[in-house]
Amino acid sequence: QVQLQESGPGLVKPSETLSLTCGVSGGSISSHYWTWIRQPPGKGLEWIGYIYTGGNTNYNPSLKSRVTISADMSKNQFSLKLTSVAAADTAVYYCARQGVRDGYSGPVDYWGHGTMVTVSS
Amino acid sequence: DIVMTQSPDSLAVSLGERATINCKSSQSVLYSSNNKNFLAWYQQKPRQPPKLLIYWASTRESGVPDRFSGSGSGTDFTLTISNLQAEDVAVYYCQQYFGGLPITFGQGTRLEIK
Repeated sequence: QVQLQESGPGLVKPSETLSLTCGVSGGSISSHYWTWIRQPPGKGLEWIGYIYTGGNTNYNPSLKSRVTISADMSKNQFSLKLTSVAAADTAVYYCARQGVRDGYSGPVDYWGHGTMVTVSS
Repeated sequence: DIVMTQSPDSLAVSLGERATINCKSSQSVLYSSNNKNFLAWYQQKPRQPPKLLIYWASTRESGVPDRFSGSGSGTDFTLTISNLQAEDVAVYYCQQYFGGLPITFGQGTRLEIK
């Protein structure tokens, strides 16, 4: 059973960088797509991006200029950095796995519990 | 990006009755190479992460009760919950995961008991 756990500061100042890490157990991050998704309070889900085999990444075009997702294979964890944050970046941030089904990219099948990040001075 | 639009935004259904949620994509999510629709449905309860219910538009995830079913192809999809139970109260999201494109979600449909 794959388990994911987000960690990082719950409060970030405007214009600074949001940094989160996701520890993965029960499976290796060497395969599948390791994903960040966020949800502003009371709103819907927004895909941020993922990292996959070989360190390749794919980002939401609306956030691409501010986002970096990286992985540490030795620790079996992956990370999110979002620069120049503003109040609109306040959200619950989920790390998740987008699985491979029948040899193709599949749905998001494992989620972390989520961590609330507030952008405020 | 592929825009996903759900209807209705909210609905109230009596216990034991059927709930139907629709999802429309701005372009087809049917991939000709494997003849599968890259469309999933999720259930989210308060203070919990979303839970995968359906993928490939109609394949139920392991452990999901068979009262949940998905249908549709191309751009129009439906999630049906038969014999509604109290524990089905949640927000439901559709999502497209067409390879190589940004993943996008519908805006969500809130399901309540009438």
